[in-house]
Amino acid sequence: KQEVTQIPAALSVPEGENLVLNCSFTDSAIYNLQWFRQDPGKGLTSLLLIQSSQREQTSGRLNASLDKSSGRSTLYIAASQPGDSATYLCAVSNDYKLSFGAGTTVTVRA
Amino acid sequence: NAGVMQNPRHLVRRRGQEARLRCSPMKGHSHVYWYRQLPEEGLKFMVYLQKENIIDESGMPKERFSAEFPKEGPSILRIQQVVRGDSAAYFCASSPQTGIGETQYFGPGTRLLVL
Repeated sequence: KQEVTQIPAALSVPEGENLVLNCSFTDSAIYNLQWFRQDPGKGLTSLLLIQSSQREQTSGRLNASLDKSSGRSTLYIAASQPGDSATYLCAVSNDYKLSFGAGTTVTVRA
Repeated sequence: NAGVMQNPRHLVRRRGQEARLRCSPMKGHSHVYWYRQLPEEGLKFMVYLQKENIIDESGMPKERFSAEFPKEGPSILRIQQVVRGDSAAYFCASSPQTGIGETQYFGPGTRLLVL
């Protein structure tokens, strides 16, 4: 059974600081890994999808790396802004199911 | 191309009533997934459906919960005789083709509150 862990559970940083969010998973036989953003009371917004054959993906200020063999992924957010405040979820796909971590709640202080 | 639609967005039920949650996938998507997010927990897979077929319901509680995806119309998640522990956010996602390894597109969720 796939277990996904996200550390830390919460993070508070001043505006402009870089964010580093960690995700680990127990079963490395994944198809892909996805990072989502969830705002309070809202749905999920997909940020980045990394296929199992890839090592990283980038979109604007976001960069996600994947080390499948060690079961780890890291999401970097450069030059954080108050608008980046949200919960970030990591999800892995072993087949058609996504297994989610509990998330990291980020607060960026102005 | 409209995204995944879910309704209602908020639903309040008293214990013992039935809750019906609807999900309309993105146009052209024939695979639907339901996930549940309990308070302070991550999303958990419940069920995977294709048109008129339940492919995997391993995440569904054995009693009171059922799901369907008819040939026409939205996918329905039905919870009979709701209890307070059913209070959660229920998310629907859809994908276009094979399902395996495909990107899943999520709806805004239905927040169910059982009084």
